[in-house]
Amino acid sequence: EIVMTQSPATLSLSPGERATLSCRASQTVSGNLAWYQQKPGQAPRLLIYGASTRATGIPARFSGSGSGTEFSLTISSLQSEDFAVYYCQQYNNWPLTFGGGTKVEIK
Amino acid sequence: EVQLLESGGGLVQPGGSLRLSCAASGFTFSSYAMSWVRQAPGKGLEWVSTSASDGITTHYVDSVEGRFTISKDNSKNTLYLQMNSLRADDTAIYYCAKPYSSAVPGTRTFDFWGQGTMVTVSS
Repeated sequence: EIVMTQSPATLSLSPGERATLSCRASQTVSGNLAWYQQKPGQAPRLLIYGASTRATGIPARFSGSGSGTEFSLTISSLQSEDFAVYYCQQYNNWPLTFGGGTKVEIK
Repeated sequence: EVQLLESGGGLVQPGGSLRLSCAASGFTFSSYAMSWVRQAPGKGLEWVSTSASDGITTHYVDSVEGRFTISKDNSKNTLYLQMNSLRADDTAIYYCAKPYSSAVPGTRTFDFWGQGTMVTVSS
C-alpha cells in the first residue's frame, strides 16, 4: 500500500496570503495524484488531477505541481471560501489511498 | 446535471449487515467505473471499493475484503455496497463517487460525489 503523507497538518494564514501544501508518497505514483477540498458538512470537491490539471470550474489561483513522490498544491491568494481541509490522493496503484489532510485555517 | 443519491445507511449492531444504494443520473452510468469512499467521524477520507464500468472487475481496501461486496446494475443506474459482518470501525459516512473520466487512470479519481449516507455500527 502506498502511504500518502501531507504536511503541515494545519496551516494558519490570512486572506490574500499564499498557501503551499505538501504531499509525499511512500513510493512513486508517477503523475497520478489528485487534490480535493472539503468543507465542513460537505462532500469533497476535486481540484486537481494528473498532479497539475485543474478540474472543471476550479479557479486559476489553485495550482498543482510535482511528480514521482513529491507534490504540492499552491493557492496563490487565499480567499475566504478557501479555508477548508485539503486531501491528496494517489491513483497509480490499488488500493487507492488518501493523505491525512491539511487544514487551512484563518489566522 | 450529474446526481448521485445514496441511501440505506443507519444504525446496525456489530456483526450485522446493511446494503447501501447509490442512484445515479445525468451521465452514462454504464460507461463509468464507480466507487465508494468513506469518512469516519472527524477523520480523513478512505477509499473502500471500486467497480469497473461493466461491474465485472472489482477492487477493495484490505479492511473490507471478504465482508463487503460492490455491485453495479447498469439497467437501473444504481451502485450498491453490501456490507456484512460490520464492525465498530466501519462507522462512517459512505460516499458514492463518480470518476472524472471513463478511461484509466482517470477512473480512479472522483469529480462528483453524493451527499453521503451515515452508517453507525454500535450495540
